[in-house]
Amino acid sequence: DSGVTQTPKHLITATGQRVTLRCSPRSGDLSVYWYQQSLDQGLQFLIQYYNGEERAKGNILERFSAQQFPDLHSELNLSSLELGDSALYFCASSPRDSLRMGGELFFGEGSRLTVL
Amino acid sequence: DAKTTQPPSMDCAEGRAANLPCNHSTISGNEYVYWYRQIHSQGPQYIIHGLKNNETNEMASLIITEDRKSSTLILPHATLRDTAVYYCIVRVGGNQFYFGTGTSLTVIP
Repeated sequence: DSGVTQTPKHLITATGQRVTLRCSPRSGDLSVYWYQQSLDQGLQFLIQYYNGEERAKGNILERFSAQQFPDLHSELNLSSLELGDSALYFCASSPRDSLRMGGELFFGEGSRLTVL
Repeated sequence: DAKTTQPPSMDCAEGRAANLPCNHSTISGNEYVYWYRQIHSQGPQYIIHGLKNNETNEMASLIITEDRKSSTLILPHATLRDTAVYYCIVRVGGNQFYFGTGTSLTVIP
C-alpha cells in the first residue's frame, strides 16, 4: 500500500460526458502528479501540482483540467469524453516539488475509465 | 533529454537472480536513474534509484557503470510475484518521468 488513494476504481460512462477522478496523496506529501495509461500510449504524464499550485504540465488535453485543494487532495476533471479517453488514470504523490534531487513517486492503484 | 533503452522482454527462473539491463547513453551528469515496476495494471511501484554509486535496498540492487551510460537492476532471488513490467527511467525535463516501454519480466516456476 503506497498510501495514495484514488477513487473511483472503475468508472463507465458515455461519450460526451464529464467525470471527476479524485486523489488523496500520502500524508505529508505536497506534490500530486497525474498520469494516463492507455494500451497504445504507455504511461503519459499529464500534470503536476505542488501545494495547490500547478507546477508542471505534460500531454494534458484542453478538455482535461485538474486542481489541488487546500487539504492537498487533487481532482482530475475530464470533459466531453471520447472513446480514446478510455484508460487507466494514475495519481502519484511526492514530498518535494521537484524530482531533480532524487525524489521518488508513490502511485495509487489507479482509476479505470471506460468510455462507451 | 535523456532516454532509455531496455529489452522488451526477459525470462528468469524462480529463485535465480534477475538482471535487467538499461542503456541511457545520453544521460546528463546530474540526472538520476530510477527503476519502477508495474505488476499487471496496478500502480507503478518505486524500486530504487541512483546517481553514480551502486545502490542496494531490500528489494533490489542497482549497478551503474562508471561512465553512467548504462545500468543493471538486480533482483537477487526472483519470485513469481516479481513478474512485472520494469521501467528504467531518467528524468526528462521539468518534473516528469519518461516511462518508456520497459522490460516485461516473466519469472518461471
